[in-house]
Amino acid sequence: KNQVEQSPQSLIILEGKNCTLQCNYTVSPFSNLRWYKQDTGRGPVSLTIMTFSENTKSNGRYTATLDADTKQSSLHITASQLSDSASYICVVSDLGGQNFVFGPGTRLSVLP
Amino acid sequence: GAVVSQHPSWVICKSGTSVKIECRSLDFQATTMFWYRQFPKQSLMLMATSNEGSKATYEQGVEKDKFLINHASLTLSTLTVTSAHPEDSSFYICSARDSRGSTNSPLHFGNGTRLTVT
Repeated sequence: KNQVEQSPQSLIILEGKNCTLQCNYTVSPFSNLRWYKQDTGRGPVSLTIMTFSENTKSNGRYTATLDADTKQSSLHITASQLSDSASYICVVSDLGGQNFVFGPGTRLSVLP
Repeated sequence: GAVVSQHPSWVICKSGTSVKIECRSLDFQATTMFWYRQFPKQSLMLMATSNEGSKATYEQGVEKDKFLINHASLTLSTLTVTSAHPEDSSFYICSARDSRGSTNSPLHFGNGTRLTVT
């Protein structure tokens, strides 16, 4: 069964600190992996998209990594800001890119 | 950049009435749009895939007669919650991808509609 798991479920950090969120998947065949940020009461916004051949991709203070062999991805947030408080969702799509499997998300709270 | 507009952003309706939610791709064409439902502190659950010019594909357990989907043009899909009940209260989100893009092109989301049925 195609599944996406994320850890931790929730995380609280202080402003300015770094953090890393994890995503494990069993989706096969694999097409791409996406990280989204979802603010409360809003739609998700794309942070990164990575294909099989990409190991790392950055978007400002966000850096995503992908290990297609172990089927793991991480999202690293550097120098966190209060506005980083949100849910971060890992989404994996299969070959063909029409089926998207959503992870449960990690809820990040950045405190002053 | 590409934008998906969802309207209304929130709606309150009485039990038994129907509510229509619109999802528009503003600067790209989308032959396929997706509708999701999200409960508090949970991730998005795919309800159905909306296909322009043809019938929508519903996920298992989603009643197609209750959640009517119409995708009449390449830029507009609508979700109608018919005979709404309090248990239909939820956050509904749509998404779309540029039809001319590759399988790795971004999936753009609307800002969601908060439905409250009293």
